[in-house]
Amino acid sequence: NAGVTQTPKFQVLKTGQSMTLQCAQDMNHEYMSWYRQDPGMGLRLIHYSVGAGITDQGEVPNGYNVSRSTTEDFPLRLLSAAPSQTSVYFCASSPSYSSYNSPLHFGNGTRLTVT
Amino acid sequence: EDKVVQSPLSLVVHEGDTVTLNCSYEVTNFRSLLWYKQEKKAPTFLFMLTSSGIEKKSGRLSSILDKKELFSILNITATQTGDSAVYLCAVFKRSSNTGKLIFGQGTTLQVKP
Repeated sequence: NAGVTQTPKFQVLKTGQSMTLQCAQDMNHEYMSWYRQDPGMGLRLIHYSVGAGITDQGEVPNGYNVSRSTTEDFPLRLLSAAPSQTSVYFCASSPSYSSYNSPLHFGNGTRLTVT
Repeated sequence: EDKVVQSPLSLVVHEGDTVTLNCSYEVTNFRSLLWYKQEKKAPTFLFMLTSSGIEKKSGRLSSILDKKELFSILNITATQTGDSAVYLCAVFKRSSNTGKLIFGQGTTLQVKP
């Protein structure tokens, strides 16, 4: 059971570079989301999607883009990396957007450093 | 503005102690409260609470929700070193046709032998 798979596990970028964090799930989950985790701030929602072709912004969307062309994949794009985007990024999925009755399943995270 | 606040932010205890972690929230359109345990990598699910006063239990861990006072507690009895982790509280809110999970800052628990 692969669950939620994130790649890469680690990444170092220079300021201004762009990159895509990959997230794939094999559970046929409708709901997918991206969080960033910073010390003392818990997990903050960046973007989320309730199904293929549908995305929406979370609490901290600036500097990030997402798309959802398939049910399985939900990539997160950093358009022009900044040091403030240094963080650990988690992708999570749930069977439906009504996840109040089904908890999120998390990937193992991507540790990103922007110098 | 929606917020989820956990206390304490960190805690150091010895094996065998009992600990209580707190989570208070102010979230519109509340649907459920969840607890996660995070060791080195991904958060893992512990409990989901939707109704007040009903205790959920799993081994030495238990949790309860008070929807009138807007808080939840997570209890761990007879702590072990393997309980050392960050414990995350999150509230699921309904928003239009979708929903969002809002996390607290987390409580870092260290259990010493």
